Amino acid sequence: SAVISQKPSRDICQRGTSLTIQCQVDSQVTMMFWYRQQPGQSLTLIATANQGSEATYESGFVIDKFPISRPNLTFSTLTVSNMSPEDSSIYLCSVEVADSNEKLFFGSGTQLSVL
Amino acid sequence: AQSVAQPEDQVNVAEGNPLTVKCTYSVSGNPYLFWYVQYPNRGLQFLLKYITGDNLVKGSYGFEAEFNKSQTSFHLKKPSALVSDSALYFCAVRDIRDSWGKLQFGAGTQVVVTP
Repeated sequence: SAVISQKPSRDICQRGTSLTIQCQVDSQVTMMFWYRQQPGQSLTLIATANQGSEATYESGFVIDKFPISRPNLTFSTLTVSNMSPEDSSIYLCSVEVADSNEKLFFGSGTQLSVL
Repeated sequence: AQSVAQPEDQVNVAEGNPLTVKCTYSVSGNPYLFWYVQYPNRGLQFLLKYITGDNLVKGSYGFEAEFNKSQTSFHLKKPSALVSDSALYFCAVRDIRDSWGKLQFGAGTQVVVTP
């Protein structure tokens, strides 16, 4: 299994600013993922973050808007840049543990509100 | 591309009655199917998954789901609902060519269990 600590749990930010969300895992994992859950909507994968390589972004998401770091096997950050109210969402970190029953574990999320 | 449909935005059920949350999917090839539950201000919690084998899958908290290939469905069921089952439920599918972290989620179904 994997225990994921995500910070901050929530934040209220001003338009035009940036917020960096941290994701810490209690074990080494190869693959980490960042999801977005917009209000009243489902989860959408933003990007896959593997240690030692550039993040792979899904259609509709770009590195300039959502830069990701993955400096080691237990940590990743997602930055939401130049925020607008449309960025108000829950951002979720997740990790793959292929030899577990669950396969994918999620952090508790970061509730972001942009004014 | 794979997709998941949860036709009901909300399901209301009285405590003690059977609970069913519907999910249909579309995927090329054999599907990997998941159910997750999300409580307020919490991340996603894994309930169960289907990869192969028995069509009836038993999971956490007394939930089970039946994989029906001919109907491309994976409905979640619980014989006797509890008030504490009130939450948001997500069905998800993974293409076998993708990693475990690349899930396509349904829109979610809000379950309300009344005493």
